[in-house]
Amino acid sequence: KNEVEQSPQNLTAQEGEFITINCSYSVGISALHWLQQHPGGGIVSLFMLSSGKKKHGRLIATINIQEKHSSLHITASHPRDSAVYICAVRSNFGNEKLTFGTGTRLTIIP
Amino acid sequence: DSGVTQTPKHLITATGQRVTLRCSPRSGDLSVYWYQQSLDQGLQFLIQYYNGEERAKGNILERFSAQQFPDLHSELNLSSLELGDSALYFCASSAWGTTSSGANVLTFGAGSRLTVL
Repeated sequence: KNEVEQSPQNLTAQEGEFITINCSYSVGISALHWLQQHPGGGIVSLFMLSSGKKKHGRLIATINIQEKHSSLHITASHPRDSAVYICAVRSNFGNEKLTFGTGTRLTIIP
Repeated sequence: DSGVTQTPKHLITATGQRVTLRCSPRSGDLSVYWYQQSLDQGLQFLIQYYNGEERAKGNILERFSAQQFPDLHSELNLSSLELGDSALYFCASSAWGTTSSGANVLTFGAGSRLTVL
């Protein structure tokens, strides 16, 4: 079993739909990152969370440390949101090693 | 443009060869991180440098080495290349040695795509 599991692996939705991507992890962590990778390959860091909730524009990320679970929500989805979304966790062991999930491929249809 | 510059963008080479990938961090960032993204393994952390010193090590093979220079740019050296080393290699930078602070943004370069034939 991977330390970081994401679901779903693939998600196709209509423009305007509310999107939820889930990330579960099995180790103690000090931080969790959500990353966006566009079809061209470039990676953008969306959020870094250690507790609670963060919002940036139409994106919302939440984390529940007790349940070892995080969600990334996209409101009013748009075709430009089509990308691979990757969850990564930083362990409690005091170093900067990030362990990555396998990603969720999101496709938004106009 | 993220501010993190990686060269070359694409590299094709043969098995057994050696290559060097270069990364210039965002202005003011002291930490550089290297990651490998392959089709079968996904993204993996390789190594981190902070202000010239190695800070953390991940799944980096002994055939691979890295360093960070006084001007803070970093190089990842890959030697005795194998077909399985074909991957996207990303560099990222951050201001400090740890990304645990909410203000310490992790910024990625565009990646170097290595193909080993």
